[in-house]
Amino acid sequence: NAGVTQTPKFQVLKTGQSMTLQCAQDMNHEYMSWYRQDPGMGLRLIHYSVGAGITDQGEVPNGYNVSRSTTEDFPLRLLSAAPSQTSVYFCASSYRGRREKLFFGSGTQLSVL
Amino acid sequence: SQELEQSPQSLIVQEGKNLTINCTSSKTLYGLYWYKQKYGEGLIFLMMLQKGGEEKSHEKITAKLDEKKQQSSLHITASQPSHAGIYLCGAILPSGGGADGLTFGKGTHLIIQP
Repeated sequence: NAGVTQTPKFQVLKTGQSMTLQCAQDMNHEYMSWYRQDPGMGLRLIHYSVGAGITDQGEVPNGYNVSRSTTEDFPLRLLSAAPSQTSVYFCASSYRGRREKLFFGSGTQLSVL
Repeated sequence: SQELEQSPQSLIVQEGKNLTINCTSSKTLYGLYWYKQKYGEGLIFLMMLQKGGEEKSHEKITAKLDEKKQQSSLHITASQPSHAGIYLCGAILPSGGGADGLTFGKGTHLIIQP
């Protein structure tokens, strides 16, 4: 039972670098989402997808891109990393949407210097 | 202002004691999740409440949803060291700022003293 798998677990970037955070799920979930967790802010939704080929913006989408070419994968791309993007990133999925149990990955801790 | 307020922000409880964590929404609640997070790890699903008055239990943890008060409470009976961690409530609110995701509270840090 792999569930939701996120890679890498830790990453350090320099300002201006780009990178992709990977998220994969093996539960055939239609809904996938990305959150960031910051001290004193709770978790905030970055982007979400209700199925392959469909993505939409959440509360804090600026500086991030997503795509959903398959049901299993939902990568999050940082185009030009900024120190304000230092955070812990979580990927979450559910069968159809937020009204169903959300399964979370173990997170990626990102530091942008 | 925060749409979902959790209280208290932190809690230190002696092992064996009972405790309650509250989650209050400024908007209509269409459902509420409780998750637990251990430091440096992901979120573990505890319970989901969808109907007013609904109450669910898992081992020594009970959660209730009061739709009229737009509030949920999480109660732990006879706390154990394994209960330590961060408890997060996540609400299904009217779409808008929260898009199609959950709106989370800031979390309650629970420490269990032996």
